[in-house]
Amino acid sequence: AQSVTQLDSHVSVSEGTPVLLRCNYSSSYSPSLFWYVQHPNKGLQLLLKYTSAATLVKGINGFEAEFKKSETSFHLTKPSAHMSDAAEYFCVVTGDRDDKIIFGKGTRLHILP
Amino acid sequence: DGGITQSPKYLFRKEGQNVTLSCEQNLNHDAMYWYRQDPGQGLRLIYYSQIVNDFQKGDIAEGYSVSREKKESFPLTVTSAQKNPTAFYLCASSIGWRDEAFFGQGTRLTVV
Repeated sequence: AQSVTQLDSHVSVSEGTPVLLRCNYSSSYSPSLFWYVQHPNKGLQLLLKYTSAATLVKGINGFEAEFKKSETSFHLTKPSAHMSDAAEYFCVVTGDRDDKIIFGKGTRLHILP
Repeated sequence: DGGITQSPKYLFRKEGQNVTLSCEQNLNHDAMYWYRQDPGQGLRLIYYSQIVNDFQKGDIAEGYSVSREKKESFPLTVTSAQKNPTAFYLCASSIGWRDEAFFGQGTRLTVV
């Protein structure tokens, strides 16, 4: 069975400083991993995805994530936070056909001026 | 433009009434999903469909029903059996079960 854990429910950073949102997963098979962003009262938008190609994945809006199999992690980073990054972020894992898409519980990112 | 459309954006219903949420996609995706979102609980899967005329229960299917008569459409009915239906409902679609999902803008259902 698969699972995904987002280690922080809230993260606060100052504008212009680095962002780190942590995600750990477990999967019996080679997983596909995704990060989505959700602004208030909106649907989810894909930031980036890992599907067994390069382990460092670049996404939209300057975000990137690194797949580390030995650590079963897929942390999301950005070098410099912008006020518009304030939103909720979801880490997602999907793998074997019989497993459902699994969402983490989300991390709310707050940007301090 | 291709996309996934949910309607209405806001919906109010009286307790005990069934209500149907619409989800339409023109992306030619085979897979479609319904999620429920409550504060602090992330997204929970209600139902999913990987092909027309077939669908599977997700983690919280009780009190909900769906149909998939057309590839483009996956309506969700919230029945009176659902104990706590007030929530934000998100529909999504993907090419296949292992691909990224595209989401609608959501329907906020309030039952009074």
